[in-house]
Amino acid sequence: QVQLVESGGGLVKPGGSLRLSCTASGFTFSDYYMSWIRQAPGKGLESLSYISGRSTDTNYADSVKGRFTISRDNAKNSLYLQMNSLRAEDTAVYYCSRGPRRLDYWGQGTLITVSS
Amino acid sequence: DVVMTQSPLSLPVTLGQPASISCRSSQSLVYSDGDIYLNWFHQRPGQSPRRLIYKVSNRDSGVPDRFSGSGSGTDFTLKISRVEAEDVGVYYCMQGTHWPFTFGPGTKVDIK
Repeated sequence: QVQLVESGGGLVKPGGSLRLSCTASGFTFSDYYMSWIRQAPGKGLESLSYISGRSTDTNYADSVKGRFTISRDNAKNSLYLQMNSLRAEDTAVYYCSRGPRRLDYWGQGTLITVSS
Repeated sequence: DVVMTQSPLSLPVTLGQPASISCRSSQSLVYSDGDIYLNWFHQRPGQSPRRLIYKVSNRDSGVPDRFSGSGSGTDFTLKISRVEAEDVGVYYCMQGTHWPFTFGPGTKVDIK
């Protein structure tokens, strides 16, 4: 069955960096677009970025453009989110999901806390 | 950005009774391929969102048939024909037509 497992979350100081990973199984990873979505504590959902199966198509929300970079390694069935220049408002649970618009499977999420 | 609004934001329901959630978009959600990318998700406390409905009215595998989606253009509805205890949580609509894809604020469903 399809599984998505995020990792890499934690506490980071403002201005710091963090790299999230999402390991996929149960489907042909390279055939699918993948996305990162976040949810601030007690808040709603925000689509951040997506990447095509061959990494030829990427897009970012304005809130993270220039600070976050999405990438993938199809040989490792893994999706990544490099987050730089982190701000307090980036504090959230970060989810990976299959597809930019289908979002049919989600990981369990990983919590990022940006605080001094 | 496309703004998604939902009403009501809070919905106390009686077990066995129907429930309905409205979702409106600030722009038409018809994509260039002719499809409407409007999804509905359910999120229980402490859990990840689960997709219930895709492209307005298509129920996901394993989703009970008491859930149905309808709508067109900018107005969409999620209906639960008979609410069960497991249906509590927050329901989100989401548009996947115009980037950035955006979610509604959520409708919290609980039992009266």
